[in-house]
Amino acid sequence: EAGVAQSPRYKIIEKRQSVAFWCNPISGHATLYWYQQILGQGPKLLIQFQNNGVVDDSQLPKDRFSAERLKGVDSTLKIQPAKLEDSAVYLCASSHGLNYGYTFGSGTRLTVV
Amino acid sequence: TQLLEQSPQFLSIQEGENLTVYCNSSSVFSSLQWYRQEPGEGPVLLVTVVTGGEVKKLKRLTFQFGDARKDSSLHITAAQPGDTGLYLCADGGAQKLVFGQGTRLTINP
Repeated sequence: EAGVAQSPRYKIIEKRQSVAFWCNPISGHATLYWYQQILGQGPKLLIQFQNNGVVDDSQLPKDRFSAERLKGVDSTLKIQPAKLEDSAVYLCASSHGLNYGYTFGSGTRLTVV
Repeated sequence: TQLLEQSPQFLSIQEGENLTVYCNSSSVFSSLQWYRQEPGEGPVLLVTVVTGGEVKKLKRLTFQFGDARKDSSLHITAAQPGDTGLYLCADGGAQKLVFGQGTRLTINP
C-alpha cells in the first residue's frame, strides 16, 4: 500500500510571499488532516476533511491559510501572505475514519525568512 | 481544551540502558496513541490503548495506561540507537488527534 505523498519536501520563501503544499492520501481514505509542527512541539491540527467537506478548521488562521480537497482525494494547503512564525513542518495524514489509525506523510518543511 | 504534558522533554542515555517516559492529560483520554517520529519523517503509530489499566508490549517497548485513563507510560528495555526519535502521545477522541509536545530520545552507542 502506497503511503501518504506530500510535496514539496522543503520550501524556503520570504515573508509576505505565498506558498502551497500538496498532499495525496492513501487510496480509499475518506478523512484527511493537515497538521502544523513547529520545532520542538507536537503536531497541531489545522484542518480536517471528511471526503471533500471540512469537519474542523477551528485552529486554521483563516486570514492567511486556506485549504481545499477537491473531489475528496488530493488536498492543497496555501499560505498567503506568509509570516516568519509560519516556519514549521506541515504534515498531512489520512485515515479510514474514527477509531482507525492515522498514516502521516513525511511532511513539508517550510522556512520563512 | 485538553492539555497533554510529556516528560521528560529530552532524554539522552547509553545503549543498553532502560528508560521510561510519561504522558499526562488534563482530562480523561478517549483513546491514547503513542507515535515515534524520526527526523525528516512523519509520526508512525506504535500502539493504541483504550482500557484503563491496559498494558501492551511491542518487542522491547511496554506501554501502560493508567487506571483513571489520564496518564500513560512508555518503558523501553535495553535501548538501542534505532530507538532514537521523538516520542509523541496523542488523544484520539473527537475524530482528531491532540498531541503532546513529545519526548526527544537519544540513544548513544
